[in-house]
Amino acid sequence: GQNIDQPTEMTATEGAIVQINCTYQTSGFNGLFWYQQHAGEAPTFLSYNVLDGLEEKGRFSSFLSRSKGYSYLLLKELQMKDSASYLCAGDSAGNMLTFGGGTRLMVKP
Amino acid sequence: DTGVSQDPRHKITKRGQNVTFRCDPISEHNRLYWYRQTLGQGPEFLTYFQNEAQLEKSRLLSDRFSAERPKGSFSTLEIQRTEQGDSAMYLCASSTTGGAGGNTIYFGEGSWLTVV
Repeated sequence: GQNIDQPTEMTATEGAIVQINCTYQTSGFNGLFWYQQHAGEAPTFLSYNVLDGLEEKGRFSSFLSRSKGYSYLLLKELQMKDSASYLCAGDSAGNMLTFGGGTRLMVKP
Repeated sequence: DTGVSQDPRHKITKRGQNVTFRCDPISEHNRLYWYRQTLGQGPEFLTYFQNEAQLEKSRLLSDRFSAERPKGSFSTLEIQRTEQGDSAMYLCASSTTGGAGGNTIYFGEGSWLTVV
């Protein structure tokens, strides 16, 4: 099985940078997903890390360290629309995702 | 629109009634997943199919829950004798196997169930 931990809530200011951490303990770990979920909506895909290192996609970057069981999502130039929950999910055999509880990010003006 | 679609989007039912949700995955995706999500929590895995074969079921999936994917395309999730604890959003997702980005799992909008 898998155990995924991430902070429950974070607050940041518009225009700033925020890092959302995720630690995991897994068996049969393939990779790590990050999803964004606005209230009442479906999760939308942000990133998938298989190898160690940083992957950058515009304002969003995701980092993975397999040896440390650690990942983070970095959001730059925060916008009000980035207020959402960010879900970390470990991927095991068969693409069965195990999600953390999600981090609710509030962006303030 | 060629995303994952779910129906109905909202369902209110009385305790003890049966409900059925339908999911149409992205057309070329052979894997289909069902998850359940309650407020303030991350989605919890229920079951998944590869084509028409149901390959994994969570312990969360009690005997009252049954899922099918008879032709390897759309899927249904039925909950019999609903209980108030079944109130949640039921999310369907799909993916392909292999290929560039093949592991990316795409979610539908979800079906909200309220048991009163």
